[in-house]
Amino acid sequence: DAGITQSPRHKVTETGTPVTLRCHQTENHRYMYWYRQDPGHGLRLIHYSYGVKDTDKGEVSDGYSVSRSKTEDFLLTLESATSSQTSVYFCAISQGGGRDEQYFGPGTRLTVT
Amino acid sequence: AQKVTQAQTEISVVEKEDVTLDCVYETRDTTYYLFWYKQPPSGELVFLIRRNSFDEQNEISGRYSWNFQKSTSSFNFTITASQVVDSAVYFCALRPYSGAGSYQLTFGKGTKLSVIP
Repeated sequence: DAGITQSPRHKVTETGTPVTLRCHQTENHRYMYWYRQDPGHGLRLIHYSYGVKDTDKGEVSDGYSVSRSKTEDFLLTLESATSSQTSVYFCAISQGGGRDEQYFGPGTRLTVT
Repeated sequence: AQKVTQAQTEISVVEKEDVTLDCVYETRDTTYYLFWYKQPPSGELVFLIRRNSFDEQNEISGRYSWNFQKSTSSFNFTITASQVVDSAVYFCALRPYSGAGSYQLTFGKGTKLSVIP
């Protein structure tokens, strides 16, 4: 199994508060991704990173920002959480260079009240 | 735009039956990757297979087999002699081989498979 951890695993927060989710990998993979999973929508890409300090937007990036200061860490920030951001968030990694399957972390369940 | 359709929302089978999960995709790209992932009740996503669009050979791995048909834009997944441990949500996904958007996996909405003992 790929070495991917996410923290926290569960979080309940109030509307309007900032929230940061962390993804940590020990595989030295170049690419990292944040997805959200919602009933009826499958998984949707929020942001991804193709290297340290190199990030780009995905399909559902509004309300989210990311940062990657080290190869192993990819942070997802909700600047001001809203109830519509209640979801399960998954981090994924991939090697690139033809090895393009993405491996997923265990997920973070976020509830915004 | 890319799209993945898994028309079967839920399927129930009795243990030891064979079951096929359907996946139909739409893309304008001439080369692309297709994937299947498994999400058991514990919630993690498990990578099962990657298929390149230029390789139409079907693949078998134990009780699992995949039928890729480019002519019908389908990438179906068959489980032979199903077991209770196969109970999970299965996702089909698609991404371009290269170019803009090539990092983004487009997922279907998943098929929930329940295997009844």
